[in-house]
Amino acid sequence: RKEVEQDPGPFNVPEGATVAFNCTYSNSASQSFFWYRQDCRKEPKLLMSVYSSGNEDGRFTAQLNRASQYISLLIRDSKLSDSATYLCVVNRGSARQLTFGSGTQLTVLP
Amino acid sequence: DGGITQSPKYLFRKEGQNVTLSCEQNLNHDAMYWYRQDPGQGLRLIYYSQIVNDFQKGDIAEGYSVSREKKESFPLTVTSAQKNPTAFYLCASTERSPDTQYFGPGTRLTVL
Repeated sequence: RKEVEQDPGPFNVPEGATVAFNCTYSNSASQSFFWYRQDCRKEPKLLMSVYSSGNEDGRFTAQLNRASQYISLLIRDSKLSDSATYLCVVNRGSARQLTFGSGTQLTVLP
Repeated sequence: DGGITQSPKYLFRKEGQNVTLSCEQNLNHDAMYWYRQDPGQGLRLIYYSQIVNDFQKGDIAEGYSVSREKKESFPLTVTSAQKNPTAFYLCASTERSPDTQYFGPGTRLTVL
């Protein structure tokens, strides 16, 4: 079983749609959780950290369920510029290392 | 501006040659990391360093070597022992807390 699993997609959605991505992780000792965004042939960039209480940043909402070891990202009112690959990222317990999922590809269509 | 720089952006080498990828940061971060990314795959950790003059192997260290003589610099050498070196190489750094990692723009290595 992979340490971090994501649905690879692709997700093709029209502008204005709401889309949700899910991610599961296997290391119960993980303490930090993130969503990164990666544009084609570019480096990953931090989209948002994920907190136990859930957190929102504009059109983006992240949720964490520690009991189920499950993380989600919801994007509302999708824009063309949201087209990218979204990486679910989890730290390896106490070590200062991160494990990256393979990513979910999103294409927002006009 | 603070950030992480990697050079070169594109690199072509013949099979059997060693090649060194540069990574420099002026963020005053303690820890630095090297990853490789293959098409359609997630990032895999090659080496990391939490402090100057110290580094540890990651998940796929075979065929690679690193040094950390200065806090700002963490070069990666891809040796001829690396069986399949063609990939996108990413360098990252992080503060002590939180462990959010920030990435350089990457080096795309092609071995011919």
